[in-house]
Amino acid sequence: EVQLVQSGAEVIEPGESLRISCQGSGYSFTNYWIAWVRQMPGKGLEWMGTINPSDSDISYSPSFQGHVTFSADMSISTAYLQWSSLKASGTAMYFCARHYTTSSPMDVWGQGTTVTVSS
Amino acid sequence: EIVLTQSPGTLSLSPGERATLSCRASQRISSSNLAWYQQKPGQAPRLLIHGASSRATGIPDRFSGSGSGTDFTLTISRLEPEDFAMYYCQQYGRSPTFGPGTKVDVK
Repeated sequence: EVQLVQSGAEVIEPGESLRISCQGSGYSFTNYWIAWVRQMPGKGLEWMGTINPSDSDISYSPSFQGHVTFSADMSISTAYLQWSSLKASGTAMYFCARHYTTSSPMDVWGQGTTVTVSS
Repeated sequence: EIVLTQSPGTLSLSPGERATLSCRASQRISSSNLAWYQQKPGQAPRLLIHGASSRATGIPDRFSGSGSGTDFTLTISRLEPEDFAMYYCQQYGRSPTFGPGTKVDVK
């Protein structure tokens, strides 16, 4: 079964750093890009950017450039989304999703990781 | 950035009725790089339609997509109880964007 499994919910304080993960299985991980999508509480979907795990080619949405970092470890079929210092506005559900090319739809999604930033 | 507008914001219908959802782009979308996703509360989005009109694997044929250029439509021919959900359109060109969504709820 093709699936993306994301790491568990996180509760952190403002200013802390965080890395969440997305592990692929059931397919060749390096053949697909991994996109990250934010969904703030009660709101819609926002594309944050995407990474090619085979060569770490990355495209960030201008809205998220400089605020997040994508990375990937091919050896364990895992992509990461990282913040160096989160604000309360970072509270959201974060999804990863695979797509075959940069002009392909997102056909398989992770279950989402809830991040709560609160003091 | 291509801005997508969806209408209506909410569509209140009964099971068995036909649903027609609209997605309009601020500029022409090349190669019909337009997808529709369904999202239920607490779940990840699910790909329904890609290439404006091609159903994704396993999607029932009551879902259909149409349109080109800047105007696209998702039609659900006969609503089943499990179809009441949020629907998003997305253009997946160079810098993907999503529409704000249409909620299909029970009348």
